[in-house]
Amino acid sequence: GAVVSQHPSRVICKSGTSVKIECRSLDFQATTMFWYRQFPKQSLMLMATSNEGSKATYEQGVEKDKFLINHASLTLSTLTVTSAHPEDSSFYICSASPGGGGTEAFFGQGTRLTVV
Amino acid sequence: EDQVTQSPEALRLQEGESSSLNCSYTVSGLRGLFWYRQDPGKGPEFLFTLYSAGEEKEKERLKATLTKKESFLHITAPKPEDSATYLCAVLGGTASKLTFGTGTRLQVTL
Repeated sequence: GAVVSQHPSRVICKSGTSVKIECRSLDFQATTMFWYRQFPKQSLMLMATSNEGSKATYEQGVEKDKFLINHASLTLSTLTVTSAHPEDSSFYICSASPGGGGTEAFFGQGTRLTVV
Repeated sequence: EDQVTQSPEALRLQEGESSSLNCSYTVSGLRGLFWYRQDPGKGPEFLFTLYSAGEEKEKERLKATLTKKESFLHITAPKPEDSATYLCAVLGGTASKLTFGTGTRLQVTL
């Protein structure tokens, strides 16, 4: 299957600082990538759809000024959690589909963010 | 709005004890139903895509089937390494994003 790489896998940051998470499609180009958040023992919650060369589309209730998404190339999307607070601590996962948004998605390894 | 319901929420099996996980869905024009496996602290791993009722796919001890209302993931003679959360997702209509169920946490013991 296709490979999606996410980095870092774990990060601890101080409250008030910003953290950037990278998501790369290693063996295919992705015009669309997706960012999810997952709470313990819960399913994935879609945060936003990242579109190459244009603005991201955020789900209802997700603060776009807090969760900045940049999709500068066909193989890289970044999620920046700005002015992080302890309540932003969570597991963040990205995905991409080799065939676009209408086919199976492949996921990155996830990033465990802890804000202290 | 697309909806996905998975049952049971959790399942404990002994090694070799076969069982099935259920994924019921409501979608306007199914374009694909997907099964994923997720281990703790990891991203979901793709298992299967099913597109139309009657379709079946197999991989090792896993077999996925699809009807017009639900999908089953059959696990035959499971081993402890099959322990994980199994997620079901659908893509419907003109949507470009998946709708996920809450998953089934499977534990296989010796």
